[in-house]
Amino acid sequence: DTGVSQDPRHKITKRGQNVTFRCDPISEHNRLYWYRQTLGQGPEFLTYFQNEAQLEKSRLLSDRFSAERPKGSFSTLEIQHTEQGDSAMYLCASSSQRENGIFGPGTRLTVL
Amino acid sequence: QKEVEQNSGPLSVPEGAIASLNCTYSDRVSQSFFWYRQYSGKSPELIMSIYSNGDKEDGRFTAQLNKASQYVSLLIRDSQPSDSATYLCAVVTGGGNKLTFGTGTQLKVEL
Repeated sequence: DTGVSQDPRHKITKRGQNVTFRCDPISEHNRLYWYRQTLGQGPEFLTYFQNEAQLEKSRLLSDRFSAERPKGSFSTLEIQHTEQGDSAMYLCASSSQRENGIFGPGTRLTVL
Repeated sequence: QKEVEQNSGPLSVPEGAIASLNCTYSDRVSQSFFWYRQYSGKSPELIMSIYSNGDKEDGRFTAQLNKASQYVSLLIRDSQPSDSATYLCAVVTGGGNKLTFGTGTQLKVEL
């Protein structure tokens, strides 16, 4: 499978716990994006990497959120001290100059 | 004013009809526009991109762009029940580093 993959697909956690999600982009894509989507809304931009450099972060991304992309390959998104309002689908997308944003299947987070 | 606006619907069309989905955007410097299809519980799937004024056709889909009016549309010809989904309009904003999405229009194609 040469598409974007995300792990885990579902995560249930208790409020206050930390969670980490992983995204593996399409191998030849140098750009990687994280989005968050809640029911009835379109995806909201969280952050963007070009290779290993994090070039933009949304104001939505509080200090509890951190993202990394070591070596410009896979990326991780960590949420510390989760809150019920963090419950959403977390989407990863990758792209290149030749190919536009291709989304992974998403990680659905439920915070109890 | 939202950066990207869409009518949330639902838009109901009979099978075989043309479905017309509309989107307006606020950033005048935007140059790249996309339509994504999203089935319930799934992630968005890119179906069309358009960069120049006018029409772009791909199979049963036609994207239309009017930069002067800041308007993008998607026409789906010969609509099928399998086209029933939410259609998301997305615009590259913020200097080209991110896609800004509308809330999506729910399309229902009825038998």
